[in-house]
Amino acid sequence: AQSVTQLDSHVSVSEGTPVLLRCNYSSSYSPSLFWYVQHPNKGLQLLLKYTSAATLVKGINGFEAEFKKSETSFHLTKPSAHMSDAAEYFCVVSDATGRRALTFGSGTRLQVQP
Amino acid sequence: DAGVIQSPRHEVTEMGQEVTLRCKPISGHDYLFWYRQTMMRGLELLIYFNNNVPIDDSGMPEDRFSAKMPNASFSTLKIQPSEPRDSAVYFCASSPRRSGYANTGELFFGEGSRLTVL
Repeated sequence: AQSVTQLDSHVSVSEGTPVLLRCNYSSSYSPSLFWYVQHPNKGLQLLLKYTSAATLVKGINGFEAEFKKSETSFHLTKPSAHMSDAAEYFCVVSDATGRRALTFGSGTRLQVQP
Repeated sequence: DAGVIQSPRHEVTEMGQEVTLRCKPISGHDYLFWYRQTMMRGLELLIYFNNNVPIDDSGMPEDRFSAKMPNASFSTLKIQPSEPRDSAVYFCASSPRRSGYANTGELFFGEGSRLTVL
């Protein structure tokens, strides 16, 4: 079985300050991990993915995430938040074979204050 | 590429009526997924297809829900009869196939169909 836990349902930061969105996963297989972003009234968009290559993964819009197997974590970070980063972020896990459907976390709403 | 196209974007209907949601996946994508999103339950996978064949429909809530994919460029999700608790945003997503993997996990989502059942 696989699961993903997003530790914060809501995160609020000031523009220009760092962003940290936390995600822990559980998987019986070697996982693939993803972060998706959803802006208001839009569909989800892939931000970045980890598929057993480099443990530090860079994505779009300056976001990156680090896969830490010992901690079963895949936290999303950005050095400096921008107003346009305000959105909902989903951590997603899939087993490496891809035969299981993706498992989505419950989401973290990021608010960016001016 | 036009992306995944869903219609209608908004649907308001009365309880008991039939609702049909439509999806056109990205050309060349082998996988198609239907998700439902609500505040209470988050994002739920309803069903997914591989090469037009339903692979896993365990997320379909009840017999009132049905999904078809008659060809590689079109899928429908039907609710009959609809109930107020079906109110949600329904997303369609498609995914390409990479060699060595059944599904890369890179989903391309449509903008969703917002359903309100009164």
